[in-house]
Amino acid sequence: AQKVTQAQTEISVVEKEDVTLDCVYETRDTTYYLFWYKQPPSGELVFLIRRNSFDEQNEISGRYSWNFQKSTSSFNFTITASQVVDSAVYFCALSEQGDDKIIFGKGTRLHILP
Amino acid sequence: DTGVSQDPRHKITKRGQNVTFRCDPISEHNRLYWYRQTLGQGPEFLTYFQNEAQLEKSRLLSDRFSAERPKGSFSTLEIQRTEQGDSAMYLCASSLGVNYYEQYFGPGTRLTVT
Repeated sequence: AQKVTQAQTEISVVEKEDVTLDCVYETRDTTYYLFWYKQPPSGELVFLIRRNSFDEQNEISGRYSWNFQKSTSSFNFTITASQVVDSAVYFCALSEQGDDKIIFGKGTRLHILP
Repeated sequence: DTGVSQDPRHKITKRGQNVTFRCDPISEHNRLYWYRQTLGQGPEFLTYFQNEAQLEKSRLLSDRFSAERPKGSFSTLEIQRTEQGDSAMYLCASSLGVNYYEQYFGPGTRLTVT
């Protein structure tokens, strides 16, 4: 069965600190996709990244970076030098190939304090 | 604006009333998805369409829920005899063909059942 676990319900850090959001997933498939979405207070889900299961290279996009480790079934997200605008709920998600729905974790609410 | 749009953005209704929500996907997208998000949870898949065909329905979609996409463009989600447990954010997403994992989300319709 598919499952995504985000153990951190809520995190608060002071602006400019680095913060890592954890994500652990479960799947029986060998081909799958992992995602991170941001949901700001306005409510709209904003796509951040998609990785497929065959690409374990870490990715960096500006202040954002992602660490995908199949050995531990983890897909962690790090924000470097956090800013107040990063405050949002962040969702990790999983989709198995051939299954058209996305399974979301419960989200981590991130507060960046000025 | 060529993103996914949803109407209304907010709906307050009394228990037992019927409600209908509308989703307009990105124009060239042939797949349309409905998700439900309750407070403190991640979005949960409800159903999806490819063109006008409804291809999958979640067990979450009780008999009181019905979704249509009559001409393969916009979609409606109707909830009959609403219950307080139906209070949630209803999210619509769309994607193009084989890139089903690239789902673009709308702003959602927040339903409050009193």
